[in-house]
Amino acid sequence: QVQLVQSGAEVKKPGSSVKVSCKASGGTFSSYAISWVRQAPGQGLEWMGRIIPILGIANYAQKFQGRVTITADKSTSTAYMELSSLRSEDTAVYYCARDAASETDYWGQGTLVTVSS
Amino acid sequence: QTVVTQEPSLTVSPGGTVTLTCASSTGAVTSGYYPNWFQQKPGQAPRALIYSTSNKHSWTPARFSGSLLGGKAALTLSGVQPEDEAEYYCLLYYGAEGVFGGGTKLTVL
Repeated sequence: QVQLVQSGAEVKKPGSSVKVSCKASGGTFSSYAISWVRQAPGQGLEWMGRIIPILGIANYAQKFQGRVTITADKSTSTAYMELSSLRSEDTAVYYCARDAASETDYWGQGTLVTVSS
Repeated sequence: QTVVTQEPSLTVSPGGTVTLTCASSTGAVTSGYYPNWFQQKPGQAPRALIYSTSNKHSWTPARFSGSLLGGKAALTLSGVQPEDEAEYYCLLYYGAEGVFGGGTKLTVL
């Protein structure tokens, strides 16, 4: 049974950073990529980036280049997404999802990040 | 800036058939964009339905099918059930970068 369990909700100040974790179980972590997707309140899904843990290589959507960093720790089967220079528009639910050669299957439960002064 | 376009909303009667589409601003959608389709209900995480154009996950109901239609990716629901009322999103890959469509709100009425 594959599960992706994300860290809890966060409240952050504008200009700060947030780091969300995604711990995988039930599968071979290094054999898959982990993507990060966000959803602002009442809005659609937005692809942020993806990492292939076995290679340690991450790709980012142009929109987030320079502001997002996705990493993975193979020893704990955990992926991380760090977003910096937070602004109110970054308030959203952040999801991780498992990817195998552009086949996205399992999703985490989501992490609400609220950016407010 | 690549844009992926879906119908904002569609309505279908129970037992009916409906097709949702997914278009790319760069031109015709092909299998090389590895179209994925997801279903999302209010307050829930998205659920994967289709990958690589037409492949189903083990949990995908048989009434859902994916294809390429007229230069777009398509998701067809045949014999629609009330529980199919949800938001549906397509995802296309442009090389290493993914882009979601804006979503289609499907109403079963």
